[in-house]
Amino acid sequence: EVQLVESGGGLVQPGGHLRLSCAVSGFRFDIYAMSWVRQAPGKGLEWVSFISDDGDNTKYADSVKGRFTVSRDNSKNTLYLQMNSLRVEDTAVYFCATDPQAGSSPWGFDSWGQGTLVTVSS
Amino acid sequence: DIQMTQSPSFLSAYVGERVTITCQASQAISNYLNWYQQKPGKAPRLLIYDAGKLDTRVPSRFSGSGSGTHFTFTIETLQPEDIATYYCQQYDTLVSFGGGTKVEIK
Repeated sequence: EVQLVESGGGLVQPGGHLRLSCAVSGFRFDIYAMSWVRQAPGKGLEWVSFISDDGDNTKYADSVKGRFTVSRDNSKNTLYLQMNSLRVEDTAVYFCATDPQAGSSPWGFDSWGQGTLVTVSS
Repeated sequence: DIQMTQSPSFLSAYVGERVTITCQASQAISNYLNWYQQKPGKAPRLLIYDAGKLDTRVPSRFSGSGSGTHFTFTIETLQPEDIATYYCQQYDTLVSFGGGTKVEIK
């Protein structure tokens, strides 16, 4: 059974940092690209970042570029999102998701975690 | 950036009724479009990929069509379990989502 479990969310002050993790099981992690997608409370979906299966290619939404860094450890079946210089508008549930199409750009998301809530507030 | 405009943002229909949602891209994206269903408190679920292909285990009452800038998503006969918010998503240039369509039972 495919499982993705996010962790690392919480309350942080503006300007602070957090690192999210996404532990996966039930499939070959190292052949899947991955993305982070977020959803502000009561709002729609916003794609955040993408990383290729080997970690060599990364992409970011303009809203987080230069502040967030996506990475992965295929030996640990884990995806990460380092979030620095956090802003109030980064408050959201952050989902990790698998991207089944091999390539250097995102395609779509066929398995999702349950999400972890990040709240940026003073 | 490619903007995706979904309409309507909310719709209410009877069980058994046909429901159609449209998604307009700000520039041509070929068939590089997916559709998702999100139920309250849950993660999204991929329903349709490449504009018109049904994902695994998705009921055949769901369908999608379109190319270029105009796309449609249809639920042929609305069921109570279809209550959810539906999103389109383009992948021609990075990724962007439509604003969502909340579907309720009348």
